[in-house]
Amino acid sequence: DTAVSQTPKYLVTQMGNDKSIKCEQNLGHDTMYWYKQDSKKFLKIMFSYNNKELIINETVPNRFSPKSPDKAHLNLHINSLELGDSAVYFCASSQVIGGTEAFFGQGTRLTVV
Amino acid sequence: SQQGEEDPQALSIQEGENATMNCSYKTSINNLQWYRQNSGRGLVHLILIRSNEREKHSGRLRVTLDTSKKSSSLLITASRAADTASYFCAATGFQKLVFGTGTRLLVSP
Repeated sequence: DTAVSQTPKYLVTQMGNDKSIKCEQNLGHDTMYWYKQDSKKFLKIMFSYNNKELIINETVPNRFSPKSPDKAHLNLHINSLELGDSAVYFCASSQVIGGTEAFFGQGTRLTVV
Repeated sequence: SQQGEEDPQALSIQEGENATMNCSYKTSINNLQWYRQNSGRGLVHLILIRSNEREKHSGRLRVTLDTSKKSSSLLITASRAADTASYFCAATGFQKLVFGTGTRLLVSP
């Protein structure tokens, strides 16, 4: 069983479109994260949620809206996609916020054309 | 930016040699973690060292931590071709993991 799964794996879309990436973890963790990895492989945290509650929003544009219907799911919706949004987006989870090992999904490669 | 830095950015060695990667971070930490990323894949946790520890071993991995210098190092001994990957340190502070810029390791047979 995959611990942290995100879909889709690849996403190619045009500028201006709205898209969503889904993430689910079956580890029973309280905390989930979204990270963005750019073309230089820098990994930057975007959001973290603890028990469905937003804890961190790292100055991400309002076009990005995370949604956590329950603590096993953290979806990422992106409005009005821009070329600069092209990146690999990783979902991750950990047992507690900030203190323990994080488990990562396989990533979603988003290409905006 | 809170992002840490790693050096070298890239490292190329032969199988059997040791590989050392260094990480510097900017924030106060609870612990420091090291992750590995194979090309096109997610990150996999390797080892965690707490802020009150100075050295930790796990198999062929040895991690050191110097909180006074805000730095850590990862040593992989007797490297194998399968160790080829990118390695990231992650400083764990208040409520989040802040990743370094990564070191790309290439181990040639």
